[in-house]
Amino acid sequence: EIILTQSPATLSLSPGERATLSCGASQSLASNYLAWYQQKPGLAPRLLIYDASSRATGVPDRFSGSGSGTDFTLTISRLEPEDFAVYYCQQYGSSVTFGQGTRLEIK
Amino acid sequence: QGQLVQSGTEVKKPGASVKVSCKASGYSFTSYYIHWVRQAPGQGLEWMGIIHPGAGSTSFARKFQDRLSMTRDTSTSTVYMELYGLRSEDTALYYCARATRTGYSWFDPWGQGTLVTVSS
Repeated sequence: EIILTQSPATLSLSPGERATLSCGASQSLASNYLAWYQQKPGLAPRLLIYDASSRATGVPDRFSGSGSGTDFTLTISRLEPEDFAVYYCQQYGSSVTFGQGTRLEIK
Repeated sequence: QGQLVQSGTEVKKPGASVKVSCKASGYSFTSYYIHWVRQAPGQGLEWMGIIHPGAGSTSFARKFQDRLSMTRDTSTSTVYMELYGLRSEDTALYYCARATRTGYSWFDPWGQGTLVTVSS
């Protein structure tokens, strides 16, 4: 099973700042099969990024994904108030596993 | 784009089973795989398994293999997840989510979630 490790566990930033969230895989991901989701309290996860760097329909361009192999990054270029949430990475190169999440909170 | 609508909250006793439904609309039901994911209170996301609504074929995460079933009804575009031998640690929100035609992919859309509480 591929284990995904997200860091940091909690990130405290202010609106307008840049956020960088990391996701490390225990094995290299085939074809960069990695997605990122945003989850707000009481709601289902929302797809942001798939195939490591492709933005899902309707996702603002301040969200971007990068990386390959075992190291992946989600960047939010300029935080808006609605961006404070929990973010999960997911790999689908070998079955499916999720990272443990990064909580992005207002500083 | 499509939509998935799940059945309502369930409260079960330890040892019982629960069956959660997930009704699809707005897309070709038999062409896209459906996955089930659960989330314990305050915890992260845990993948449970996958079903192909057209063929009915399934595959489950190892920890659920002996007590999980997934079925589908093509006449109503509904998939079902049934978990047996419930224990307190199965208390969670259960989500269905659509993958692509290839099976293992990103998930979009997701159902709204079904809360299952296991308590004596």
